[in-house]
Amino acid sequence: KNQVEQSPQSLIILEGKNCTLQCNYTVSPFSNLRWYKQDTGRGPVSLTIMTFSENTKSNGRYTATLDADTKQSSLHITASQLSDSASYICVVRKGSGTYKYIFGTGTRLKVLA
Amino acid sequence: SQTIHQWPATLVQPVGSPLSLECTVEGTSNPNLYWYRQAAGRGLQLLFYSVGIGQISSEVPQNLSASRPQDRQFILSSKKLLLSDSGFYLCAWSVKGGGYEQYFGPGTRLTVT
Repeated sequence: KNQVEQSPQSLIILEGKNCTLQCNYTVSPFSNLRWYKQDTGRGPVSLTIMTFSENTKSNGRYTATLDADTKQSSLHITASQLSDSASYICVVRKGSGTYKYIFGTGTRLKVLA
Repeated sequence: SQTIHQWPATLVQPVGSPLSLECTVEGTSNPNLYWYRQAAGRGLQLLFYSVGIGQISSEVPQNLSASRPQDRQFILSSKKLLLSDSGFYLCAWSVKGGGYEQYFGPGTRLTVT
């Protein structure tokens, strides 16, 4: 069954600290994996996209990793800011279907001052 | 630049009433269009996608329907709303090809009472 599981479900950290969010998937065949940031009551916004051959990709303070062998991805946030408070969603595109995007339930991050 | 609009932003409707949510995209032509629903604590669920005018594919059976009367207009409808239709509805578009990023609209919060 094609699934995307994220952990933890929620996370609270202090401003300036680092954190890592996890994403495990069983989607096959795999096309690509994206991390989205979704502010409360808003649409998701893409942070990074990773294909099968990519191991690491950075976007400012966000660094995503992908291990295609173990089907795991992580999103590392460095020096967190209050504006990082949001839900982070892992999405895997299934290779055999153009429109098959499998969404995780997200990790809700709260950054405290 | 491309933009995507959704309206209304929020909606409260009684059970059994009709529904019409509208999504329009600007700045691109012949996009793929998608309707998603996000229930509290759950991942985004793909409801419909469209590759062109009048071409609608449904992912899950339900009392909702979609139409694409124009290239950049996507409408989500229902003849009679159910309580279970409550949720956050997101419209998204992507470039043809399937591997590209999905761009999400601001969403519509629907509460069925």
